[in-house]
Amino acid sequence: SAVISQKPSRDICQRGTSLTIQCQVDSQVTMMFWYRQQPGQSLTLIATANQGSEATYESGFVIDKFPISRPNLTFSTLTVSNMSPEDSSIYLCSVGYAGGFGETQYFGPGTRLLVL
Amino acid sequence: AQTVTQSQPEMSVQEAETVTLSCTYDTSESDYYLFWYKQPPSRQMILVIRQEAYKQQNATENRFSVNFQKAAKSFSLKISDSQLGDAAMYFCAYTPSFQGGSEKLVFGKGTKLTVNP
Repeated sequence: SAVISQKPSRDICQRGTSLTIQCQVDSQVTMMFWYRQQPGQSLTLIATANQGSEATYESGFVIDKFPISRPNLTFSTLTVSNMSPEDSSIYLCSVGYAGGFGETQYFGPGTRLLVL
Repeated sequence: AQTVTQSQPEMSVQEAETVTLSCTYDTSESDYYLFWYKQPPSRQMILVIRQEAYKQQNATENRFSVNFQKAAKSFSLKISDSQLGDAAMYFCAYTPSFQGGSEKLVFGKGTKLTVNP
């Protein structure tokens, strides 16, 4: 499977500030995905990032709040802007990859964010 | 819209016993993929097993197997010979047929599995 890393692994931030989360993959992939997992909840897709084009956002998520960059086929960033305590969540990136299971999605280790 | 339902918020099993986690889904697609992911306290999402809808044979991976009932839109996970390391949140997920993982996953709400020694 693809090896995916995220930075930072966790952070504690103040209300009103912004945090940029990095996602690095060890192989070139077309699509990268950003998910949010609120405390005790399931995963919800924020946006899909395709290299060379604007990210596609899901209903309820906007670019001004969650700007995404995808400068190349192995890297993406998600910024959580003007944070509030409601943004406290785990943020996970994932990639589509044809590995041992066949075509599927593999996840990074996640970034645990706490907003005070 | 596609939805995934996991009706068991929590389950428990004795070590070495067998447990089955339930998942149902709703879709109008004829070809799609279904997954079970495991999320231990470390929060890493780990792929457990994958099923392609056009394959009638149920997928198996060591102690993990599924019972895929396409007509009933049911996709349960059976864990045999449960181990302490199996304790985790288990998420059922769906995606329509895709190339290179280019489609998003729709997740159920998860089932918390406790394994008792």
